[in-house]
Amino acid sequence: AQSVAQPEDQVNVAEGNPLTVKCTYSVSGNPYLFWYVQYPNRGLQFLLKYITGDNLVKGSYGFEAEFNKSQTSFHLKKPSALVSDSALYFCAVRPASGGSYIPTFGRGTSLIVHP
Amino acid sequence: SQTIHQWPATLVQPVGSPLSLECTVEGTSNPNLYWYRQAAGRGLQLLFYSIGIDQISSEVPQNLSASRPQDRQFILSSKKLLLSDSGFYLCAWRLGLAGNTGELFFGEGSRLTVL
Repeated sequence: AQSVAQPEDQVNVAEGNPLTVKCTYSVSGNPYLFWYVQYPNRGLQFLLKYITGDNLVKGSYGFEAEFNKSQTSFHLKKPSALVSDSALYFCAVRPASGGSYIPTFGRGTSLIVHP
Repeated sequence: SQTIHQWPATLVQPVGSPLSLECTVEGTSNPNLYWYRQAAGRGLQLLFYSIGIDQISSEVPQNLSASRPQDRQFILSSKKLLLSDSGFYLCAWRLGLAGNTGELFFGEGSRLTVL
C-alpha cells in the first residue's frame, strides 16, 4: 500500500525567508510524486511533479521540490516566501507502474507567511 | 485547453433531503473522474472514481452514489442526506491514457451544509 506523511500540520515563515514543507512517502517501486496547493474555499491546484530524471523539479509560482530516493522524501521549497503563498499544501504519491493509478494524498500542511 | 466545472458552489440542505452535485469536463475525451470529500479543511477522502461510462468504483460505503451518464459528466447523489455528509466536495479529472503521469485537476468545489 502507498502512503504519504506530512509531519507538520502548520509551517510558519516570515516573508522573504526560505520555506520548506516536508513530505515523505512509501510506495512499491518507483514513485510519481506531486504537490498541490489549496487556497481557502477553492479546489486544489497542481504545482509540480516528479516523474523521473533530475531530482530537483521546478513548478508554478517559484516553487520547487527535491526528490530524495534514499530518504523517500519530496520536500517542497521556495527561496523567498510571499504572504500570498499562505495556503494549504498537499503532497501525493502513486506508483509509476502497476497497482492503482489513484494517487494517495497526505493530510496537508498549512503554510502561514507572516509580513 | 481543458476546463472543469462543478456546481452548485454552495448549498444548505435539511437532513433527509436528496442531493445532486454535478461536474463536467471540457476539452478532453475519456477522462478519469473522481469525487473527493474534504472535512474540516484538511485531508481528502476519495469517494468514487470512474474510468469510463458505467465504470464507477466506490471507495467508501455510505449513503452516497455516483453516476456518469456521459463521458465527461460525473454526478454525486444521495437519496437522504445525513448530518455527517456535510463537507467540501471536490470533483477532479485526469487524462485517461495509459502511461499518463496522473496529476489531477480539480474543480472549485461544492460546500454542503446539512442541517
